[in-house]
Amino acid sequence: GAVVSQHPSRVICKSGTSVKIECRSLDFQATTMFWYRQFPKQSLMLMATSNEGSKATYEQGVEKDKFLINHASLTLSTLTVTSAHPEDSSFYICSASGWGSNTGELFFGEGSRLTVL
Amino acid sequence: AQKITQTQPGMFVQEKEAVTLDCTYDTSDPSYGLFWYKQPSSGEMIFLIYQGSYDQQNATEGRYSLNFQKARKSANLVISASQLGDSAMYFCAMREVYKAAGNKLTFGGGTRVLVKP
Repeated sequence: GAVVSQHPSRVICKSGTSVKIECRSLDFQATTMFWYRQFPKQSLMLMATSNEGSKATYEQGVEKDKFLINHASLTLSTLTVTSAHPEDSSFYICSASGWGSNTGELFFGEGSRLTVL
Repeated sequence: AQKITQTQPGMFVQEKEAVTLDCTYDTSDPSYGLFWYKQPSSGEMIFLIYQGSYDQQNATEGRYSLNFQKARKSANLVISASQLGDSAMYFCAMREVYKAAGNKLTFGGGTRVLVKP
């Protein structure tokens, strides 16, 4: 199946710094990428949808200035958590969809665990 | 109103026995898809099975089968012959074709399964 890779898998940063998480589709062209956040023992909550070459669409309640999403190519989307605070500590996971899937299956990255001290 | 409801927060199952995970959904979209994902402690999301709203037969994938009851708006996952490696969180998700952009998924709250030897 298709492969989506996220990097880094774990990151620890100081409060006030910015952190960038990358999501890459390795063997297909991802026209759309989704960013989810998952707090411990909770479900995945969609943060934003990004389409290659256009601005991301954010879900209600998600601060677009805090969570910057860039989808500059068909294989790479980035999520930057700006001025991170401890409450931003969470598991961030991306998914991608592209051409050629009958079910429109989403392929998920491995996730990135962010800890803000 | 919750779009995807998983009423079982956690459950135990004896190794080699079958287990049914409940999922009910709510949508007015005539075309939708239902997914089940497994999330082990590592965090990755593993696709298990898919059911389209117009599919006449219940989906099956190896030890996984989906009991799709459209009139009741339920899409229960059945895992047969449970194995220790099946211990994980299981998420039911829905994609609404007309209402959702691209392949956006809405997730249920999840069910934690623990397989006992």
